[in-house]
Amino acid sequence: GAVVSQHPSRVICKSGTSVKIECRSLDFQATTMFWYRQFPKQSLMLMATSNEGSKATYEQGVEKDKFLINHASLTLSTLTVTSAHPEDSSFYICSASDRFPLYTFGSGTRLTVV
Amino acid sequence: AQSVTQPDIHITVSEGASLELRCNYSYGATPYLFWYVQSPGQGLQLLLKYFSGDTLVQGIKGFEAEFKRSQSSFNLRKPSVHWSDAAEYFCAVYMNRDDKIIFGKGTRLHILP
Repeated sequence: GAVVSQHPSRVICKSGTSVKIECRSLDFQATTMFWYRQFPKQSLMLMATSNEGSKATYEQGVEKDKFLINHASLTLSTLTVTSAHPEDSSFYICSASDRFPLYTFGSGTRLTVV
Repeated sequence: AQSVTQPDIHITVSEGASLELRCNYSYGATPYLFWYVQSPGQGLQLLLKYFSGDTLVQGIKGFEAEFKRSQSSFNLRKPSVHWSDAAEYFCAVYMNRDDKIIFGKGTRLHILP
């Protein structure tokens, strides 16, 4: 079956620094990937849709300059949290589809900003 | 506006008892519906899906769900839960018009020994 790999699984960074999270589709090509944010004990909130070769589409209220998304190839999308602050601490999950409309999710990245 | 409602934030059942998790959706067109399970600190695993056809769908781990169009519901059931079923369960709807999935707030399942 389709596999989506997310790296790192956990990251701790200092306030003011930037952190990059990778999302890879291992055995299929994904022209579209999705990035979600999950607060503790809450649901997944869609942040943006990552489109290969073009700009990402951000959901309302998500800061484009804070959460930079790059989808440079058909198997890799990256989310960079720029100038991270403690309020950016969260669980970030990506997903991709190899067969519409089935979506496979990565195992998530726990970001802690100290 | 499109939405997915899971009215129960927490549910506790005894091991071996039956389970039903509720899900209601609001969407103008015929929906694609999903149930996902999430263990702590993990990603989401697809339990089952409904696209069309038979309204009773079978999934992994002994779960099933029934699509009822008249009630806009897609409730998840299991005849006998196991301690390993303790997790967070999310109902989701794929919105074809916007090409994205929206999730309910989730139901945390607790299992009593």
